[in-house]
Amino acid sequence: NAGVTQTPKFQVLKTGQSMTLQCAQDMNHEYMSWYRQDPGMGLRLIHYSVGAGITDQGEVPNGYNVSRSTTEDFPLRLLSAAPSQTSVYFCASTRLLGGFPYEQYFGPGTRLTVT
Amino acid sequence: GIQVEQSPPDLILQEGANSTLRCNFSDSVNNLQWFHQNPWGQLINLFYIPSGTKQNGRLSATTVATERYSLLYISSSQTTDSGVYFCAVEPGSGAGSYQLTFGKGTKLSVIP
Repeated sequence: NAGVTQTPKFQVLKTGQSMTLQCAQDMNHEYMSWYRQDPGMGLRLIHYSVGAGITDQGEVPNGYNVSRSTTEDFPLRLLSAAPSQTSVYFCASTRLLGGFPYEQYFGPGTRLTVT
Repeated sequence: GIQVEQSPPDLILQEGANSTLRCNFSDSVNNLQWFHQNPWGQLINLFYIPSGTKQNGRLSATTVATERYSLLYISSSQTTDSGVYFCAVEPGSGAGSYQLTFGKGTKLSVIP
């Protein structure tokens, strides 16, 4: 049971490049989400999904796309990287209880630098 | 949106000391969780506690939902307790919004 895995661990992009951050979970959780963590800002929700084929925007969705074709995978796409997207990105998988998010499990994070 | 404020922002403790971390939130919540981020960046779920009191070893948490605050207690602190402690809430008293809002965290440093 690997929990939540993320790849890559580190990435450097040039402005304008695109890339996909991968996230996978093996806990059969319906709910998955992406956060970014910036110094002094805590974690902010980018996008989330309550099941395969269903995604929605969080607090800071601009510049990012997601899709959810399977329960296990929830990739995050940067369409045209900007320096403001330099951050640490965390994927999370959440067990639901009574339809509400219950315990949340985080991946190890991806440190992204955009130059 | 809902506001989450954590205090203190920074805390330095001698090993063996006790501490209390506070989380205030501005509206009713469906969900409240406490997380620990260790110095290597890993985030670990400590408690799911939208109301009431829970204990897990040297850590315990209490949420008073009617007064919109939660407390995390750390007793007999150890150097491995160092890191940042986050409170996160899901707003709403009805259908779930599925959106957790995080506070900015309390950075705890435990010195030997």
